[in-house]
Amino acid sequence: AQSVTQLGSHVSVSEGALVLLRCNYSSSVPPYLFWYVQYPNQGLQLLLKYTSAATLVKGINGFEAEFKKSETSFHLTKPSAHMSDAAEYFCAVRAYGGSQGNLIFGKGTKLSVKP
Amino acid sequence: KAGVTQTPRYLIKTRGQQVTLSCSPISGHRSVSWYQQTPGQGLQFLFEYFSETQRNKGNFPGRFSGRQFSNSRSEMNVSTLELGDSALYLCASSLGYQLYTDTQYFGPGTRLTVL
Repeated sequence: AQSVTQLGSHVSVSEGALVLLRCNYSSSVPPYLFWYVQYPNQGLQLLLKYTSAATLVKGINGFEAEFKKSETSFHLTKPSAHMSDAAEYFCAVRAYGGSQGNLIFGKGTKLSVKP
Repeated sequence: KAGVTQTPRYLIKTRGQQVTLSCSPISGHRSVSWYQQTPGQGLQFLFEYFSETQRNKGNFPGRFSGRQFSNSRSEMNVSTLELGDSALYLCASSLGYQLYTDTQYFGPGTRLTVL
């Protein structure tokens, strides 16, 4: 069975600082991994996805993530935080097998950005 | 292209009642998935419909049901509401042909409060 673990339910950074949100996955098969962002009172917006092409995936709003099989990680980074990045971020993996394919989400990480 | 729309955005019901939520997917998308989001359990998969057939189902009681129409619009129904059903219900649509790599696009959600 697939699963993801997000380390740190809350992360606080200063504006202009590096953003690093951690996600580790567990999967017996090559995983398909996603990062979504949720702003208050809104749905989820896709930031980026890994589908076994390039290990370094670039997404929207300056975010990127690197798939590291040896570390079973898919951490999300952004070189310079902006106030508008304050939101909750979810890492997800696709359930695999049969007619599955639903997303399995981590618990989420709330990102605060200090001025 | 219009995004995923969900109606209503907010609902207040009392225990024992039933409720129907509606989701209109992105034009051309044939798969609709439903997720429940609560502070305690996070994001959990309810079910997925593709071409009017339920293709996948999560681990929820039979009080939760859904259907999909020929125009791909979907409804989910919760009967005999319980306090614990209070949640944000998110609908996601995708093309539906590539089960594991298709991107799921989320709607803004319906906030259900059960009193």
